[in-house]
Amino acid sequence: QSVLTQPPSASGTPGQSVTISCSGTSSNIGRNSGYWYQQFPGTAPKLLIYRSDERPSGVPDRFSGSKSGASTSLAISGLRSEDEADYSCAAWDDTLGGPVFGGGTKLTVL
Amino acid sequence: QVQLQESGPGLVKASETLSLTCSVSGGSVNSGGFYWNWIRQPPGKGLEWIGYIHHNGNTNYNPSLRSRVTMSVDTSKSQFSLKLSSVTAADTAVYFCALGIVNIRGWLDPWGQGVLVTVSS
Repeated sequence: QSVLTQPPSASGTPGQSVTISCSGTSSNIGRNSGYWYQQFPGTAPKLLIYRSDERPSGVPDRFSGSKSGASTSLAISGLRSEDEADYSCAAWDDTLGGPVFGGGTKLTVL
Repeated sequence: QVQLQESGPGLVKASETLSLTCSVSGGSVNSGGFYWNWIRQPPGKGLEWIGYIHHNGNTNYNPSLRSRVTMSVDTSKSQFSLKLSSVTAADTAVYFCALGIVNIRGWLDPWGQGVLVTVSS
């Protein structure tokens, strides 16, 4: 059972926009920034969004993040087939003293 | 740019100790601005943070694993290590090491490629 809650699956067609949500509590997202990781099968997670809405160098601006209260969201616009992957949210948890994660959302591009 | 690579046995017997090493290149494990994390992912499940260690040896472990976890750092070899004792089938997972940044709480990047550790009975 993951600490953060996100839907197990999401889907969209090429060119569409999709949003994945992630909910936490006051000890994690409610008090700290949200993070998003992209993971392809058999590979390591890659940082996609940090500090809730910032993109590391090299991440396309089709990916954007936001935060409201104890929830954070990842939006992907202009969906492409290569965006088909697992997306996991994360946040620092003050009670744990470390990061907590969502269970991951498998994005399918139809 | 910093790169990390995990190494260690892919098969461990139940009740024994899992030992993994993460080798760091392109950066220094001595940097006070970084902390070095271990994270695992059971097959088909979400990520779980195991703990982190600073270059000075300070550690913070996930309370759910604290009684069985030991982390260490070898600055001369630019490596840090994980030991998890008394393993069971529930410890079967892909184990990743990842870099954290002290001033950006929650930052985990880059990650190593991961190593699958299977606990056998």
